[in-house]
This record gives sequence, C-alpha cells and structure tokens, in this order.
Amino acid sequence: DQQVKQNSPSLSVQEGRISILNCDYTNSMFDYFLWYKKYPAEGPTFLISISSIKDKNEDGRFTVFLNKSAKHLSLHIVPSQPGDSAVYFCAASTGSARQLTFGSGTQLTVLP
Amino acid sequence: SQTIHQWPATLVQPVGSPLSLECTVEGTSNPNLYWYRQAAGRGLQLLFYSVGIGQISSEVPQNLSASRPQDRQFILSSKKLLLSDSGFYLCAWRAAGRMNTEAFFGQGTRLTVV
Repeated sequence: DQQVKQNSPSLSVQEGRISILNCDYTNSMFDYFLWYKKYPAEGPTFLISISSIKDKNEDGRFTVFLNKSAKHLSLHIVPSQPGDSAVYFCAASTGSARQLTFGSGTQLTVLP
Repeated sequence: SQTIHQWPATLVQPVGSPLSLECTVEGTSNPNLYWYRQAAGRGLQLLFYSVGIGQISSEVPQNLSASRPQDRQFILSSKKLLLSDSGFYLCAWRAAGRMNTEAFFGQGTRLTVV
C-alpha cells in the first residue's frame, strides 16, 4: 500500500519556465512533508519542507504548497534551470513516526 | 557540523557471497539511523531503522540484516546475496527526540550481484 504517490515518473520543462512536481498521500496522520532532490549515483539532498499547519513554504526558487483537504502537495521551481534536472522525491512523516515514507520519484529534465 | 560516511561506493559481488556495508555519522549523538534501498527505476524503500545501540526495526522481511554496534555506526549485512539484492543502498540519519526534522543521506553504495 503506497501511502505517498508520485504519479508522474517524468517531466520535461523548458529552461526559465516553471516546473511543477506533484505528490499525493493517503495517510491523514501525516503532518510533515519534505522534498528531496537526487542526482544519479548520489544520495538524496534535502530541498524544502512544510508542516501541516501551513499551506505554503518558500525558499528561493522553490515553493511547496500543501492542500490538506485534497491530501496533495506540490513543488514549484521558478525559474527552472538545467542544473535542476534530477529525480525529485516527496516524503511524509507523522509526528510520532521515526521514519520518512517516500514516493517513487519524478525525473525532471530541464531543457536548455 | 554533521557528516555521514558510507562505504564502499560501488561493489560487485557474486551470488551467495556475504555482504557488509558500513555507515558512520559524525557531529551528532544518538541519531536515528536508517538503511534505504533504491531498486532500478523505483523509489526509496526503507529496509531498517534504529533508535539506539542494538535496537533494530525491520520494515521488509528479506535476505538482509542490520546491526548498530555503536551509537553512530550502522551496518547492513547479508550471509548469502541473491541477484534480487542488487540496487542502490542508502544510509541516512535523523535527529532523535525532535519532531519535524529532515533526514540526511550518505552518498550511497551501488551493489551489483552477479
């Protein structure tokens, strides 16, 4: 049972445009959400997170939006750059859980 | 600052051979430690996590085991590797006793079982 789902395995965007990566979850107990970026043959690196008490969090070019009623979050990258090309994972956690539950990832390709 | 070391970076092992992957964390005490696996084209699957020395929780029953002999050392082992054990193995740590924190990953080990 996948509790965190990323239904788009890949996304291509033109340089300078907006990239929107989506993530859905089923466990209503999740209250903390994260996005990670992963290059091939490297470990994931943390990008940005959001608590369930918020619906938006910004950090530079990256913004995460959370829609609790829809159990949906998204990551917006504006403007997209070729160096953003990587696999993006969303992850979720409950307050009491010790582990993060990850989605299956979306490969983002930013075309120059 | 905290750092996490994972080795080796790549490993090619024959079927039936043993496995030992090691992970150490510096700059923090009593971290929660994790082993994840990324199979080809798949997401991150949690294999084991540990909240303290000698305390191991297994998420997926399989051919692997984990041990935590010291506070900041986490080891992934197998007595006899299977072809299906091939994948990219990742160690991670997360601060214990704090809610809503991120996990930090090592650089990963690419294991190919032949």
